[in-house]
Amino acid sequence: EDKVVQSPLSLVVHEGDTVTLNCSYEVTNFRSLLWYKQEKKAPTFLFMLTSSGIEKKSGRLSSILDKKELFSILNITATQTGDSAVYLCAGYSNSGYALNFGKGTSLLVTP
Amino acid sequence: DVKVTQSSRYLVKRTGEKVFLECVQDMDHENMFWYRQDPGLGLRLIYFSYDVKMKEKGDIPEGYSVSREKKERFSLILESASTNQTSMYLCASSSPGQGDHEQYFGPGTRLTVT
Repeated sequence: EDKVVQSPLSLVVHEGDTVTLNCSYEVTNFRSLLWYKQEKKAPTFLFMLTSSGIEKKSGRLSSILDKKELFSILNITATQTGDSAVYLCAGYSNSGYALNFGKGTSLLVTP
Repeated sequence: DVKVTQSSRYLVKRTGEKVFLECVQDMDHENMFWYRQDPGLGLRLIYFSYDVKMKEKGDIPEGYSVSREKKERFSLILESASTNQTSMYLCASSSPGQGDHEQYFGPGTRLTVT
């Protein structure tokens, strides 16, 4: 059975801190791994990772995939209160159509 | 800009009622999905469709059915709503292909069954 596990489940940091969110996955016939940010609404897409060792970057956010260890991390540097959200990791299932989501990491950035 | 819209943001229904949740996307996407999101359980797939009139069960299809008569519209039906179907329902769509594209989500419908 495909499985995506995120850690930690929740995190509280101060503005300016750097955080690392973890995602481990067991997905048959792995195709890609995705990160989403969810505030009090629909998840919004951040990154899709398909190749091992290649970092994807967008502003203060970056993510990397390790296909050998079946692991991905999402880094946020110089955190701001607007980064407070639930961060979701997901892997495409064997069928390739549907995403298997982890339970998410709830990040709270305090002023 | 991809847009996925859902018919209601909030819905309150009584046990036993038939409930229709509508989802429309404007990007000509082949793939459409229905998830539910519950605290501590994350997002779980109910049904998906990769083409008009095609549907596939997800992880938790019991108590639900779907309809896809037109490419842009994917409906989720609760034949006889029960209190354990109180949840946030999220619709998503994506381009064709398998594992190649991000999914775009609608704003969600928070359904309460009393």
